Amino acid sequence: DTEVTQTPKHLVMGMTNKKSLKCEQHMGHRAMYWYKQKAKKPPELMFVYSYEKLSINESVPSRFSPECPNSSLLNLHLHALQPEDSALYLCASSPRDRVLWTQATDTQYFGPGTRLTVL
Amino acid sequence: AQSVAQPEDQVNVAEGNPLTVKCTYSVSGNPYLFWYVQYPNRGLQFLLKYITGDNLVKGSYGFEAEFNKSQTSFHLKKPSALVSDSALYFCAVTPGASGTYKYIFGTGTRLKVLA
Repeated sequence: DTEVTQTPKHLVMGMTNKKSLKCEQHMGHRAMYWYKQKAKKPPELMFVYSYEKLSINESVPSRFSPECPNSSLLNLHLHALQPEDSALYLCASSPRDRVLWTQATDTQYFGPGTRLTVL
Repeated sequence: AQSVAQPEDQVNVAEGNPLTVKCTYSVSGNPYLFWYVQYPNRGLQFLLKYITGDNLVKGSYGFEAEFNKSQTSFHLKKPSALVSDSALYFCAVTPGASGTYKYIFGTGTRLKVLA
């Protein structure tokens, strides 16, 4: 099963709201990713968690706050977003085998995304 | 600078004809190359990857890609296109030498298969 699930599918929020995006995988993967994708553009990496620890933050504004409560779950907490933050938010996971250290060859498996609209 | 180029924004092909979606890269060291497909309002689906070995890689849904080190290319191909292949295709690379697992994506190519 190579499935990554994301909820909700769609989210509309005002600039003063607080909301969260959720991502889940049960493939035993130990790396999880958040991407932002604008229409007809490639995904842009936001955060990477490796073994439940934040390993990469691509200088993302603090109004985006990631959380990895356990190896299967990844959240993205949203607060005081701007209209330009409207996008498709994608979660991905990859095996990240610590013994083989094959991180560069890992396949990332993507979820279907959450379409976020900020009013 | 390390980069991936997909020189065609859009490729049109008739159903039943062979298709090619082009990708070239510029990275240091040995690259690891990936192809993904994205249908409207969906996530990216993995098609295939090249790590080492045989230059011709076979993947999902009848797609294949050929790694050409001298031309620094990794073009995606399919012998007979289907209308259902119409989607957005992304090439990605991880520069093996640096050990990073951050994908460098190309800008994407929209494939339109005409019935």
